[in-house]
Amino acid sequence: QVHLEESGGGVVRPGGSLRLSCVATGFSINAYAFHWVRQAPGEGLKWVSYIRYDGNDEKYADSVKGRFTISRDNAKNAVYLHMESLTADDTGFYYCARVDDGCDVWGQGTIVSVSS
Amino acid sequence: AIHLTQSPSSLSASVGDRVTITCRASQPIYTALVWYQQMPGKAPKLLIYGASNLEGGVSSRFSGSGSGTGFTLTISNLQPEDSATYFCQQFNQYPLTFGGGTKVEIK
Repeated sequence: QVHLEESGGGVVRPGGSLRLSCVATGFSINAYAFHWVRQAPGEGLKWVSYIRYDGNDEKYADSVKGRFTISRDNAKNAVYLHMESLTADDTGFYYCARVDDGCDVWGQGTIVSVSS
Repeated sequence: AIHLTQSPSSLSASVGDRVTITCRASQPIYTALVWYQQMPGKAPKLLIYGASNLEGGVSSRFSGSGSGTGFTLTISNLQPEDSATYFCQQFNQYPLTFGGGTKVEIK
């Protein structure tokens, strides 16, 4: 069964760092691009970052550019989001999503809470 | 960035009704638009891609139309399990953007 599972979220102080992981099962990530999307509590969806299937193209929302880094390890069937200099505005659920005519497979999300 | 305006922000309808949600883009995006359904506490689920193509396994009661700057999601014969929030998203250019969402409630 095709599945994505995020992990690595937690509570972190402003200015801190976290590394989110997204592990795929039931399919090989080699041929797929991925997005990270976040959702603040009670709010809408916001696109965060994109990585091409081969890792040779990355894109970021302006609000995270220079602070977040997306990467992938096809051998481990995983995608990552390294987040630095976190602020309260980064708080929310973080979802990874597979790209195939839209985001057709989503993980259940991992919660990031930035608080002093 | 391309701004997507969804309307209405919420609606209440009865079982069996036909419901239409609109998504308007601030600039033309051809048919690079998708629709998602999100249940409370769950991840979004892809319903429609390419503005009008039904994702596999999704009920045929859902349909999408439009191109350029105007798009609609229609739910026919509304069912209790359709109670959710619906989002549009554009894939035409980065940064990708989402509409603000439409919360559908069943009377």
